[in-house]
Amino acid sequence: EAGVTQSPTHLIKTRGQQATLRCSPISGHTSVYWYQQALGLGLQFLLWYDEGEERNRGNFPPRFSGRQFPNYSSELNVNALELEDSALYLCASSPRGVRDTDTQYFGPGTRLTVL
Amino acid sequence: QKEVEQDPGPLSVPEGAIVSLNCTYSNSAFQYFMWYRQYSRKGPELLMYTYSSGNKEDGRFTAQVDKSSKYISLFIRDSQPSDSATYLCAMTRGIARQLTFGSGTQLTVLP
Repeated sequence: EAGVTQSPTHLIKTRGQQATLRCSPISGHTSVYWYQQALGLGLQFLLWYDEGEERNRGNFPPRFSGRQFPNYSSELNVNALELEDSALYLCASSPRGVRDTDTQYFGPGTRLTVL
Repeated sequence: QKEVEQDPGPLSVPEGAIVSLNCTYSNSAFQYFMWYRQYSRKGPELLMYTYSSGNKEDGRFTAQVDKSSKYISLFIRDSQPSDSATYLCAMTRGIARQLTFGSGTQLTVLP
């Protein structure tokens, strides 16, 4: 069974640009989560999508946004990039949106560098 | 104060040693507890998952939860060089679904 996949592996942008990161969940998983892993800050929750809807959002500004497509894949958009947005962005998926016991499985991440 | 505190390490042990990794948390609303392993430049890999106080064993790994003390541990028996990685504790309140992570403990097992 294929795991969570993310693209691109690496992304280099300059300050003020927009970045788009993509995630494909494990087959049969309907929930997708985005996390940011910045140096010195650890893993922080960004967004949760389930069945095409945004279900929860972490403490990040509105320039972090995303969406989930009918095939359950997801896109994270970061507008007006700032230097401190440089981080590893991780996507995770879980099988259902309702049961709170479902565990999350992570992809390899997209490393975003903002110059 | 962070909601989840994790022993920062780094931790270096000889091959075959028993490793103890620990986290404490402040919010009693956390119900589900996980341990992830993350190799350098990779995504976290789920190792253990538990939702009740007590011990859960899986091969060389034992997860321990003490909800009364708000304390969780991961024990690794007969540690191997391939166990060298960063170990992250994580927990969730349940319905809110997002995971709250500890800062991670970097473990090196020396051959």
